Parts: sequence; C-alpha cells; structure tokens
Amino acid sequence: EDQVTQSPEALRLQEGESSSLNCSYTVSGLRGLFWYRQDPGKGPEFLFTLYSAGEEKEKERLKATLTKKESFLHITAPKPEDSATYLCAVQGLTGGGNKLTFGTGTQLKVEL
Amino acid sequence: DAGITQSPRHKVTETGTPVTLRCHQTENHRYMYWYRQDPGHGLRLIHYSYGVKDTDKGEVSDGYSVSRSKTEDFLLTLESATSSQTSVYFCAIRGQSNQPQHFGDGTRLSIL
Repeated sequence: EDQVTQSPEALRLQEGESSSLNCSYTVSGLRGLFWYRQDPGKGPEFLFTLYSAGEEKEKERLKATLTKKESFLHITAPKPEDSATYLCAVQGLTGGGNKLTFGTGTQLKVEL
Repeated sequence: DAGITQSPRHKVTETGTPVTLRCHQTENHRYMYWYRQDPGHGLRLIHYSYGVKDTDKGEVSDGYSVSRSKTEDFLLTLESATSSQTSVYFCAIRGQSNQPQHFGDGTRLSIL
C-alpha cells in the first residue's frame, strides 16, 4: 500500500525566513510525485511533478526536490501570499487510472 | 484554470436522503475522479472514471455510486446519506497519462 507522510503539520514563518517542507513516501514503483497548494475553501492547485530521484523543479520562490524516499519543498524568502496548505501525493505502479495517494498536508503561515 | 465546475457548492441534508453531486468539465479530458477530504486524512479517492460509462472504485467507495453518461459530466450519488459522509467533496480531471490531476473547488456537504 502506498503511503505519504508530511511534516511538519504546521509551520509559521516570518516574511523572508526560508524553510523546507518534507514529504516522506513509500510506493510500489514511483510513477510520479506531485505537489499541490490548497487555499481555504478552494481545491488543490497543481505546482510540480517529479518523476525520478535527483530531479528538481522551480517556480518563483518554490523549489521541489526528490530522493528515493522523500521530497522537499523549499520556500525561499517567503511572502504572506505563500500562506496555504501544501499537499504531497504519489502515484505508484499499482492501480489503474493513475490513482494518487495524498499526505495530510503542511499548513504554512507566513507573517509580516 | 482548468474548466471544472462542481455543483452545488454547499448542501445541507438529512440522514437517509439521497444526494447527487455534479462535476462538469469543459476540457474534454478522459479521466475524472471524486475525492473526499476530511480533517486528519489526506484526500481519499471514492470513484474514478476512465471514459464514458467506464468507472472503477477507489479506496472509500462504500455508500457511493457514480455515473458518467457524457464525457463532460461525472455524477456522485449517495443513495442514503449518513452522518459519516459529511465532508468536502472534490472532483478532479486528467488528460493524458503524463499530466497531473486538476481539481475543482469542492462541494461542502453536511448531513444532519
């Protein structure tokens, strides 16, 4: 069974204070690891897909990295608008239709 | 933004009543998904569809049924709602196999 664990559950940062969110996973053959951002009252918004260990993706202040056991979402010099819940999900080899297994998320609050 | 519309956005109903949630897409994507999101749990897959009239169960399918008679519409039905089905329901769509899932903004369902 595929599993995803995200840490920390909640993180409070000052504006400009860089940090990292962790996503640890076990999966029966990784087809893809996905990061989403979710704002209150909204659906998850796609950020990145990572496919293999060593891969990195960047978008503005966010950078996602991947190893064989975990992924990190690095947030550089965050701003209050980066406040959201960040979700990690994996897609394994088993299961049809590209099913995703999600973690419970990290709730990020960036303060002035 | 992906063209996904969920309706209704909010619903309050009583135990034992039938409930149908609708997901409508304008992207002509093949795959459609229904998830539920509850505190302490990640998004959990209820059912998914890989084409018109082609559906399959997810990890929490008991008490739910789905139908897809047109590419653009995917319906989720609770035949006899229970309080344990109080949740936020999200629809997602996906095109080709190398593309991520994109989510609607959810339906908040309360069953009293």
